[in-house]
Amino acid sequence: GENVGLHLPTLSVQEGDNSIINCAYSNSASDYFIWYKQESGKGPQFIIDIRSNMDKRQGQRVTVLLNKTVKHLSLQIAATQPGDSAVYFCAEANYGGATNKLIFGTGTLLAVQP
Amino acid sequence: DAGITQSPRHKVTETGTPVTLRCHQTENHRYMYWYRQDPGHGLRLIHYSYGVKDTDKGEVSDGYSVSRSKTEDFLLTLESATSSQTSVYFCAIKEGGEAFFGQGTRLTVV
Repeated sequence: GENVGLHLPTLSVQEGDNSIINCAYSNSASDYFIWYKQESGKGPQFIIDIRSNMDKRQGQRVTVLLNKTVKHLSLQIAATQPGDSAVYFCAEANYGGATNKLIFGTGTLLAVQP
Repeated sequence: DAGITQSPRHKVTETGTPVTLRCHQTENHRYMYWYRQDPGHGLRLIHYSYGVKDTDKGEVSDGYSVSRSKTEDFLLTLESATSSQTSVYFCAIKEGGEAFFGQGTRLTVV
């Protein structure tokens, strides 16, 4: 919703720069991680995912890095554009377990300055 | 949108009244989820379902119940609405590893 960005960590970048959004996850048993983008007034939209047996995955202009040792996930956006302005959430899941629950982090607001 | 429809999209209700939100999907997905989203808290899982009549609690299930009597519908009920349940509610389905979200229901409890 439109107030989802309030009280969130904010990353402000210049258009054309690279952005790095970080996330700490909580469950060492999580085997699947996803980054979502949420624009104002909309539901979250899938960006990229990574399984726990990988440490890096690349998509179009985006790269996700996973460091299981410190339970850290990052999203890198190359050549950030104004349309990238949104709230970004990481999510973790244990799909190999019984629950199939998808748990989200609190989010980071990315503000792209023209 | 993976065939997900939430209804209503907006609702204002009074404290103490029961409220039911509906999530409807058209693609026969097994897993369905209800989240609430509040400023500073991101998306928090309320309940989820892993099949017809199979449901389980999430992180913030107190004050909510769910039902799934058929594959396509997952209902979220606020048994006696409170002001703390004012929020935006999102339904999601799981397809492969991804979750796809509905457009959300904005609920205001006055």
